[in-house]
Amino acid sequence: QVQLVQSGAEVKKPGASVKVSCKASGYTFTSYGISWVRQAPGQGLEWMGWISAYNGNTNYAQKLQGRVTMTTDTSTSTAYMELRSLRSDDTAVYYCARRLQIAAAGTTLGYWGQGTLVTVSS
Amino acid sequence: DIQMTQSPSSVSASVGDRVTITCRASQGISSWLAWYQQKPGKAPKLLIYAASSLQSGVPSRFSGSGSGTDFTLTISSLQPEDFATYYCQQANSFPITFGPGTKVDIK
Repeated sequence: QVQLVQSGAEVKKPGASVKVSCKASGYTFTSYGISWVRQAPGQGLEWMGWISAYNGNTNYAQKLQGRVTMTTDTSTSTAYMELRSLRSDDTAVYYCARRLQIAAAGTTLGYWGQGTLVTVSS
Repeated sequence: DIQMTQSPSSVSASVGDRVTITCRASQGISSWLAWYQQKPGKAPKLLIYAASSLQSGVPSRFSGSGSGTDFTLTISSLQPEDFATYYCQQANSFPITFGPGTKVDIK
């Protein structure tokens, strides 16, 4: 079965960087891209971007361009999301997710990691 | 970018009630729409994809309809485990966008 297991909670100071990992199992890693979605406390879901695990192509949300980098390591079936110049409003739970394997579903996110809480505080 | 709106933002209902949530896209997205359920402290769970297809393992009291710009999620008979927040998501193109959510709580 498809599983996405994320790294543990992080506490960072403003201006620092954080790198969250997402280890995939149960499918051929290079056959699907990984999206990253975040959720600030008490708020809705915000898509951050997507990376192809096949060729490393990325598509980032415009508001995060220049601060976010998504990468993959195909040897370990792991995706990474690095966010730089952290601010207090980056405090959120960060999720990795994979689309459903049904063509008619488009970019529907059928599989989610458990989430990683990133707290930005001085 | 395609903007998604939902109504209502919250609804109070009782066990056994029929609940309907509406989602609207700022431009036509055919049937490229998904619905998710999220409970506190948990990742979102996919309920419906392609506007009306029930994800495997999801109870049949959940149903989705619509196409183009207007979509509906219906819970035919609300159960205690259905109290949660529901989000729609357009699955047509990047950037992926979500509705603001609808919280279903106990009346």
